[in-house]
Amino acid sequence: QKEVEQNSGPLSVPEGAIASLNCTYSDRGSQSFFWYRQYSGKSPELIMSIYSNGDKEDGRFTAQLNKASQYVSLLIRDSQPSDSATYLCAVGYAGGTSYGKLTFGQGTILTVHP
Amino acid sequence: DAGITQSPRHKVTETGTPVTLRCHQTENHRYMYWYRQDPGHGLRLIHYSYGVKDTDKGEVSDGYSVSRSKTEDFLLTLESATSSQTSVYFCAISEYSLRYGYTFGSGTRLTVV
Repeated sequence: QKEVEQNSGPLSVPEGAIASLNCTYSDRGSQSFFWYRQYSGKSPELIMSIYSNGDKEDGRFTAQLNKASQYVSLLIRDSQPSDSATYLCAVGYAGGTSYGKLTFGQGTILTVHP
Repeated sequence: DAGITQSPRHKVTETGTPVTLRCHQTENHRYMYWYRQDPGHGLRLIHYSYGVKDTDKGEVSDGYSVSRSKTEDFLLTLESATSSQTSVYFCAISEYSLRYGYTFGSGTRLTVV
C-alpha cells in the first residue's frame, strides 16, 4: 500500500519566521507531488506542485523534492498568521491501477503566532 | 469553489437509512473522486470515476456505491448509513491530475445518529 507520511506537528512558528513542512512517500514510482492548504472547516486548496528534483519557488512558498530520498518539503518564508492552517502533502502515481490517483498524508497543523 | 458544487452541505441522518450525496461540476473534467476526511486518517479515497458510467473502488469503498450517468454529476450513496460513516465528504475533479492535481468541492458534513 502506498504511504505518504508527514511530520506530525502541530508546528508553531512566530510571525516572520520560516515554517518547514516535511513529507516522505513509500513508492519510488511516484511522479507528481502537491501541497494543499486547508483552513479549518474548508476544503483543501492547491498551493504548490513539483515534479522534478530540486526547488520550485512561488512567492513565499518553496517546494523541494528529492526523489532519491523519497522526500518532499514545503518552506514558507516570512510566515503570517494567515498561513495558519493544515497542510496536506499529496503524491500522484502514473503506474497501473493507481494512475492519476493522489494519495494524501494526514496533514500537518501549522500555527503562526504574532 | 468555482466549477464544482456539493449538496447538501450538511446532513443528519439515522442509522440504517440510505443517503445520497451529489457532486456537480461545470468544468467538463473527465475524472471525479469521492474522499472522506476523518481526524487521524486524513483524506481517504472511496470511489472514483474516469468517465460516464466508468467507476472504480478506492481504499474505503465498503458500504458505498457511486453512479455517474452524466459527465457533470457524480453521486455517492451510502446504502445503509452507519455511525462509522459520520465524516466530512469531499468531491474532487481533475482533467490531468498528475500535472494539475485536484480541485475540491466545499464538502458535505454528514452525521449518522
